[in-house]
Order: sequence, then C-alpha cells, then structure tokens
Amino acid sequence: DAKTTQPPSMDCAEGRAANLPCNHSTISGNEYVYWYRQIHSQGPQYIIHGLKNNETNEMASLIITEDRKSSTLILPHATLRDTAVYYCIVRAYNQFYFGTGTSLTVIP
Amino acid sequence: KAGVTQTPRYLIKTRGQQVTLSCSPISGHRSVSWYQQTPGQGLQFLFEYFSETQRNKGNFPGRFSGRQFSNSRSEMNVSTLELGDSALYLCASSLALEYEQYFGPGTRLTVT
Repeated sequence: DAKTTQPPSMDCAEGRAANLPCNHSTISGNEYVYWYRQIHSQGPQYIIHGLKNNETNEMASLIITEDRKSSTLILPHATLRDTAVYYCIVRAYNQFYFGTGTSLTVIP
Repeated sequence: KAGVTQTPRYLIKTRGQQVTLSCSPISGHRSVSWYQQTPGQGLQFLFEYFSETQRNKGNFPGRFSGRQFSNSRSEMNVSTLELGDSALYLCASSLALEYEQYFGPGTRLTVT
C-alpha cells in the first residue's frame, strides 16, 4: 500500500473552512483515499473516501488531484467539535495503514 | 442501527497472563479488523477477518491471535502478556473487504 504524508498539526478558526492536505505520491491505480478522524481516545470515525473523482457528503468534501498524488479534505464550516486527529489513508485490498495524522485544533 | 461494540471497555492484567477481547460488528457487516493503538506506535493493524477466515495479518508476534464466528462476532486473544501490550485495542467492522470501516470505542488494556 502507498504511504501518506500529512502536516503534524493545523489550526483553524471556528466557522471557517478547514483544508487538510495529504500527499500520497506512490498511490497506485486501484487504491482508494480514505479519511478518518479520532477524537481523544475514541475509536476513529469514518469521514469520506474516493478513488479519483471529488466526493462530498454531509461531513466533508474530498478533493483529489488529477494525478492522484495528493488530496485535500475540506470541512466547510469548522466547529469546536471538529478538533481531532485526522488520518489520510490509502488502501487497496489489504489493511489500512494509519500514519501519524494531522492534529486539527479549531480555535474559538 | 447499533454500532460496533467491544467488551470489556477496561481491563487490567498482570504480566504472563492471557486476555480475550470481544467485538460485535454492526448488523450485516461480515468483515472485522483489529488494531492496536499506543502513544509511541500509533494505530497499527493486527488482523482482518471475513466470513470466519483471516484474510490479512499485520506484523505482530504469534502471541496475538483472533477468530471470527459464524455470526461475524470476533475475539482476539493475547497470551503471555507483556508490559508493552498495554494499549487501546480497537475493533472495526465493514460490510466486506475494501469497504469503509466503522470503529468501536475500544478496550483499554493495562498490563502491570
């Protein structure tokens, strides 16, 4: 499986959009990009996933570059409850590899 | 629909003992995966089961084992516990392999 690179931490003002980047330059054609988040000591929560098209759901949007080497998770209106560690994962058939993630802090 | 449940939520064991953790997946989900989370190593994949068969395994010693029952419920066992096995053990279920996984709250194991 390809590995991912994320900034270790980011801040975002409450009510603003949070844009979390992820590099996955070695991704292969059949690997999906998944995003999860983990709020302190709880189980990770699924957010969104995609293959090559941009995706949107009630929680977030996922923008994947045309070459698929990077992606951005967008939380359109961040709230204090969005403070968490966000993991970007690529996966084909076998297991998920969780990297170190990005610790997002939403500031009032 | 009920989420993934894990029992027990907290457990304290001593070195050398063994422990069994249980996971009940979301109804209809047939794949169950297990992860270990520690402050130093982060989230690490242990194994994945689908239809009672282990499909994938992470890089953990043979002291870590698991199984899945016909109702998709899963158990993992750790024998001869070591201090380093203290961790949050997470179970995740999905409809099938390659689908998004939904995590339970975890079992916090402390080995003294």
